[in-house]
Amino acid sequence: DTEVTQTPKHLVMGMTNKKSLKCEQHMGHRAMYWYKQKAKKPPELMFVYSYEKLSINESVPSRFSPECPNSSLLNLHLHALQPEDSALYLCASSQAGTGIYEQYFGPGTRLTVT
Amino acid sequence: KQEVTQIPAALSVPEGENLVLNCSFTDSAIYNLQWFRQDPGKGLTSLLLIQSSQREQTSGRLNASLDKSSGRSTLYIAASQPGDSATYLCAVRRSRDDKIIFGKGTRLHILP
Repeated sequence: DTEVTQTPKHLVMGMTNKKSLKCEQHMGHRAMYWYKQKAKKPPELMFVYSYEKLSINESVPSRFSPECPNSSLLNLHLHALQPEDSALYLCASSQAGTGIYEQYFGPGTRLTVT
Repeated sequence: KQEVTQIPAALSVPEGENLVLNCSFTDSAIYNLQWFRQDPGKGLTSLLLIQSSQREQTSGRLNASLDKSSGRSTLYIAASQPGDSATYLCAVRRSRDDKIIFGKGTRLHILP
């Protein structure tokens, strides 16, 4: 199974809402990633978890809060977002350790902030 | 600062032709380079991963090469098909901080 799943596929939320994005993989990967992708732009790294610990935070605003409750799950909690946060949010996973391993991406969650 | 550039930004070719997509990067201190395909509004599908010690990788009609010293990679697609139409992204994994940097992609359209 080389699949990374993400839920929901689409999400529309107001600026005062609290919502969460979910990512799951069962490949035994111990590194998981959140990316943000705006239209016609490449993905931009947001967070990296390695062995369930946050290892990279790319200076992301605190209205985005990641969580890695176990080795298969990665969440992104959203609160007080702005319309410019509307984007495709992609989750990825890989084996952990030195960066020689292939990344596998999920299908993404299309987020619209109104 | 690592920069990744992909040329051309867009490409249209008739079905059946062979084609080459280019990727260049400024910092040769990388762990690997990965080529992805992305269909509109979808996630990324990994095509090929080349480690820094390797020169090329092949999968079916795809062949990717890596020249780390000159900071270049190419993705060769043989006998193109309409189903190959997508955006192709290259990404390098920087060895000094393990961060992954993407190019802006090449939008490929195969004409039936």
